[in-house]
Amino acid sequence: GAVVSQHPSRVICKSGTSVKIECRSLDFQATTMFWYRQFPKQSLMLMATSNEGSKATYEQGVEKDKFLINHASLTLSTLTVTSAHPEDSSFYICSAQLAGSSYEQYFGPGTRLTVT
Amino acid sequence: GDSVTQMEGPVTLSEEAFLTINCTYTATGYPSLFWYVQYPGEGLQLLLKATKADDKGSNKGFEATYRKETTSFHLEKGSVQVSDSAVYFCALSDLRSGAQKLVFGQGTRLTINP
Repeated sequence: GAVVSQHPSRVICKSGTSVKIECRSLDFQATTMFWYRQFPKQSLMLMATSNEGSKATYEQGVEKDKFLINHASLTLSTLTVTSAHPEDSSFYICSAQLAGSSYEQYFGPGTRLTVT
Repeated sequence: GDSVTQMEGPVTLSEEAFLTINCTYTATGYPSLFWYVQYPGEGLQLLLKATKADDKGSNKGFEATYRKETTSFHLEKGSVQVSDSAVYFCALSDLRSGAQKLVFGQGTRLTINP
């Protein structure tokens, strides 16, 4: 149980276009989802916290207009990278927190974004 | 703010060697501590956790003890296997403050040679 999926696993897009990444909790409801960014050989950096039905809370330095997050249901959150640039190329990882749990987070497998 | 510091990698060991990966933390509240593992091409998986001082988390032969006096949560395994090759992340979450956010260390890449 507690499986989180991400789609797509890899995406290549041209500079200036937008890309949407989906994060789904497959067998549980998640009131809170988190989006992280991982640079090569570095740690995960929290980008934003997404609560179902409300606006996401962004970490300092993360542009909310560039990284649009929508958490429309208890099983789905989306991250849209708008007007992507090569510096946005990275590994994006989501996690979902089981509703009413001891705050344990379950991680998706990640999405590799390459902007050319 | 809260932070986690792990020993620098990469770490390379022979099979059946003893493993220690150091982790220390700084937190203003009462954090829970975690070790996550990331196998090649996969997402992070929770390896073990401890929620209060002196707790010992254990799983798959790995252990870590929450040491409040030294603000540490070192990961140990008595005899590593090739299949343990992965990146290991130490993390904390200060649940009491309601932050519910994980703060990660920089990760330690472990390679086990047969």
